[in-house]
Amino acid sequence: EAGVAQSPRYKIIEKRQSVAFWCNPISGHATLYWYQQILGQGPKLLIQFQNNGVVDDSQLPKDRFSAERLKGVDSTLKIQPAKLEDSAVYLCASSSVAGELFFGEGSRLTVL
Amino acid sequence: GQSLEQPSEVTAVEGAIVQINCTYQTSGFYGLSWYQQHDGGAPTFLSYNALDGLEETGRFSSFLSRSDSYGYLLLQELQMKDSASYFCAVRDEAGAGNNRKLIWGLGTSLAVNP
Repeated sequence: EAGVAQSPRYKIIEKRQSVAFWCNPISGHATLYWYQQILGQGPKLLIQFQNNGVVDDSQLPKDRFSAERLKGVDSTLKIQPAKLEDSAVYLCASSSVAGELFFGEGSRLTVL
Repeated sequence: GQSLEQPSEVTAVEGAIVQINCTYQTSGFYGLSWYQQHDGGAPTFLSYNALDGLEETGRFSSFLSRSDSYGYLLLQELQMKDSASYFCAVRDEAGAGNNRKLIWGLGTSLAVNP
């Protein structure tokens, strides 16, 4: 079974630039999560999708962050414009009805 | 508010046994999970407890006491490769089924020394 795929693995941008991350969840997993993990901290949920609907985006900075999951499969997370404090690893995870989360390798963002 | 508390750091030696505790305060409870994360890697699922008691999976066991809002992860016969961060996470009552919100602890950094 293929795991959660994410790209790019690494991205370096300057502040005020934009960046987009892509995630392909495990086939058949209806729930998809985007987490932000700052070094030394636990994962922070940015947004949770159930199929192509948003379940929870209460911690998503909507003035600069956006996410979509068209057709209920792949998802894209965008940051525009980026700030220094957005430097983090962006983790995508998916889960089936059972609830266990499967994470991708993450996209490490450095904002200069 | 909702919170999970776990120790920030634990140190042990190879072959030893270590217990990582997690106490939670959430609006509801639908299970306690444990995840392992190596430096530079992604979290991976270790265990899940929905009912009181001990769940054993090889060298790792997880325990839950819902009346005490408490659980722990027990790692036996420690190996160097067990050096990692360990996160507890609780699904609370907001939402339904798989949509229930997952609340994460801040993680425990385990260092296994020779």
